[in-house]
Amino acid sequence: RKEVEQDPGPFNVPEGATVAFNCTYSNSASQSFFWYRQDCRKEPKLLMSVYSSGNEDGRFTAQLNRASQYISLLIRDSKLSDSATYLCVVIAVLNDYKLSFGAGTTVTVRA
Amino acid sequence: DVKVTQSSRYLVKRTGEKVFLECVQDMDHENMFWYRQDPGLGLRLIYFSYDVKMKEKGDIPEGYSVSREKKERFSLILESASTNQTSMYLCASSFNGENEQFFGPGTRLTVL
Repeated sequence: RKEVEQDPGPFNVPEGATVAFNCTYSNSASQSFFWYRQDCRKEPKLLMSVYSSGNEDGRFTAQLNRASQYISLLIRDSKLSDSATYLCVVIAVLNDYKLSFGAGTTVTVRA
Repeated sequence: DVKVTQSSRYLVKRTGEKVFLECVQDMDHENMFWYRQDPGLGLRLIYFSYDVKMKEKGDIPEGYSVSREKKERFSLILESASTNQTSMYLCASSFNGENEQFFGPGTRLTVL
């Protein structure tokens, strides 16, 4: 079983729509969570950290569900510029350091 | 602004050649990482380093080695390149292992 799993998509949505997707992780000792955005042929860049209480940054909302071991990302009022691949990152440091990236979820926003 | 630079954007090597990929960061970060990214597999951690001269294996260290002689520089070495090492290689750095990682632009390596 993979450490971190994401629905690869693609999610094709019209401008203005809401799109949401999850990232499940298998290591219950995981304690740090992030969403990165990667544009085509570019390096990943941090979109947002994911806190236990959930957090929001403009049109983006990230949630953590420790009981079911997944994090989620919701994008409201999608823009064309939101088209990208979204990667989740899960880090555990308690026993051994373990960092895992998901393979990414591709979102395409159409006009 | 944090800057992570990689020595080459594109590299073509022959099977059996020794390959050096260099990464430099300018933010005095403790941690540095080397990943490879392949379609459908995402980013996979090859090696990371949390201090000068320190290195830890990631998930796929076989066929690779690393060197960190100075804090700002982390090198990935392919002792004898093979075709299955054709990939995009990404270097990253972070203040500590739990913080945001800043990535370099990547090196697309082709091994013929």
